[in-house]
Amino acid sequence: RKEVEQDPGPFNVPEGATVAFNCTYSNSASQSFFWYRQDCRKEPKLLMSVYSSGNEDGRFTAQLNRASQYISLLIRDSKLSDSATYLCVVLLVRNSGNTPLVFGKGTRLSVIA
Amino acid sequence: DAGVIQSPRHEVTEMGQEVTLRCKPISGHNSLFWYRQTMMRGLELLIYFNNNVPIDDSGMPEDRFSAKMPNASFSTLKIQPSEPRDSAVYFCASSDVGQDSYEQYFGPGTRLTVT
Repeated sequence: RKEVEQDPGPFNVPEGATVAFNCTYSNSASQSFFWYRQDCRKEPKLLMSVYSSGNEDGRFTAQLNRASQYISLLIRDSKLSDSATYLCVVLLVRNSGNTPLVFGKGTRLSVIA
Repeated sequence: DAGVIQSPRHEVTEMGQEVTLRCKPISGHNSLFWYRQTMMRGLELLIYFNNNVPIDDSGMPEDRFSAKMPNASFSTLKIQPSEPRDSAVYFCASSDVGQDSYEQYFGPGTRLTVT
């Protein structure tokens, strides 16, 4: 089983739509969780961290379910500029000096006018 | 502020040649990571350093790959000899673990093509 699994997509949605991405992780000892965004032919960039209580940043909402080892990202009112690949990222061990992040392969989103 | 700097941005080389990729992390960051990204395998961690010391190189695919960090502001990833299956985008990233932040800042990547 892969450490972090995501639906690769692509998700093709019209402008204004709401779209949700899901991610599962295999290591129950995982400590921290993130969503990164990667534009075509660019580097990944942090979109938002994911907290147990769930968190929202504008049109973006992230949720974590530790019991099910499941992370989600919801994008409301999709914009053309949201088109990108969204990477689910898990921090396996939280230990000073040891900070490996494990990246999912990403879910590709295309927002269509 | 300058972000993570990588060079070259593109490299095309022939099989068997030595390839050296370079990275300058963000000043003040104490951790540096080398990743490789392909369509098939996604983003894979190759090796990472903390305070210039290699911590985990278990992701380095073969002995043909080596990485060094001689000081806090410079790292290299070397492939010798290169093979066509090494073709990928190689990213360097840095972070400041001491601030209890695990955000990694990525460089623009080096797109390597081995023919």
